[in-house]
Amino acid sequence: GAVVSQHPSRVICKSGTSVKIECRSLDFQATTMFWYRQFPKKSLMLMATSNEGSKATYEQGVEKDKFLINHASLTLSTLTVTSAHPEDSSFYICSLEKDSAYEQYFGPGTRLTVT
Amino acid sequence: KQEVTQIPAALSVPEGENLVLNCSFTDSAIYNLQWFRQDPGKGLTSLLLIQSSQREQTSGRLNASLDKSSGRSTLYIAASQPGDSATYLCAVGRAGSYQLTFGKGTKLSVIP
Repeated sequence: GAVVSQHPSRVICKSGTSVKIECRSLDFQATTMFWYRQFPKKSLMLMATSNEGSKATYEQGVEKDKFLINHASLTLSTLTVTSAHPEDSSFYICSLEKDSAYEQYFGPGTRLTVT
Repeated sequence: KQEVTQIPAALSVPEGENLVLNCSFTDSAIYNLQWFRQDPGKGLTSLLLIQSSQREQTSGRLNASLDKSSGRSTLYIAASQPGDSATYLCAVGRAGSYQLTFGKGTKLSVIP
């Protein structure tokens, strides 16, 4: 397996502020990390693919200027929700792919609440 | 566009029962299928990964099968325990891509 951590696990912020979420690979170097979000009673939806040293690839409908992704090292990717609004309240989860079987390992998630 | 459906949405069984969770997908051009477990407010734990060329995978009391041609997978849990209570997610990997498409999950409750 692989050990993935996220920080913070829970955050509450006011509307209009920005929030940064960190995703760390603790036991190996990950070239590619993924960011998902999960709304209540909905499926996990892929937001973007984060590649170390290059720009992230965003899924259709995800605003790249609102959800800033930085993958500055092989063990850290960050997601910044800029000018957060209540509709951004969700559960954000990162994952990484470790081997050629395309198996993904997920972090524990971050619960974002925007008031 | 791939769509993944999980039935039932919720399931409650008494401890000790065997049970089956179902997952169906619309596009059979998949690379693999993964079953995950998610505890409330937590991340995902990978349970089983089945490659498209495989028919089933087993881990302990869990057995997952894959019928790619019919677009179906099942997760069989033997001798269920209260600790198995969680939401079980099925995710399909697209060929040539890391992208996973998830179902909405089946919420399992095992009653002591």
